[in-house]
Amino acid sequence: KAGVTQTPRYLIKTRGQQVTLSCSPISGHRSVSWYQQTPGQGLQFLFEYFSETQRNKGNFPGRFSGRQFSNSRSEMNVSTLELGDSALYLCASSLRGQGSVEKLFFGSGTQLSVL
Amino acid sequence: DQQVKQNSPSLSVQEGRISILNCDYTNSMFDYFLWYKKYPAEGPTFLISISSIKDKNEDGRFTVFLNKSAKHLSLHIVPSQPGDSAVYFCAASNAGGSQGNLIFGKGTKLSVKP
Repeated sequence: KAGVTQTPRYLIKTRGQQVTLSCSPISGHRSVSWYQQTPGQGLQFLFEYFSETQRNKGNFPGRFSGRQFSNSRSEMNVSTLELGDSALYLCASSLRGQGSVEKLFFGSGTQLSVL
Repeated sequence: DQQVKQNSPSLSVQEGRISILNCDYTNSMFDYFLWYKKYPAEGPTFLISISSIKDKNEDGRFTVFLNKSAKHLSLHIVPSQPGDSAVYFCAASNAGGSQGNLIFGKGTKLSVKP
């Protein structure tokens, strides 16, 4: 079974631009979560989508948004990029139904550099 | 406000000895805990988990201990191997609530020296 696939692996943008990251979950997984990893902050939760609906949201500004498609693939968008948005963005998928916790399967991430 | 804290950013251990990684949490509603391991340029991979109804879970060389009264958990690796060198993340969740997403600590970088 193929793992979680994230594209692109690396991205370089300049301040003020916007970026879209893509994530394909493991086949059959309906939950997709996004995390931001920075050296000083560890993994910080951005949001979770389940069956095309945002189910949970972390404490990030509205510049960070996402969506999920009917095939469970997900995209994350960051508008008006700032230098501090430079980070590794990780996508994770799971079967997770409401009220349950299952282990997450992570992709290799997209390394975003904002210049 | 960090709900999950890993106060040691790094740990160095000799091969064959025990590695003990610690994690503290503040939210008493957390009832499920997991450890993930991350190598450079890869995503985190699941290592071991424990439910709050238990105080110990063992899987091969890896054992997780949970002390609910102290809101503390630890991961023991015995014996440690050079291939265990990675960043270890502690994560917690309130499985019974709607907020089932995982909250991660900042990670501890483990170096196992041959």
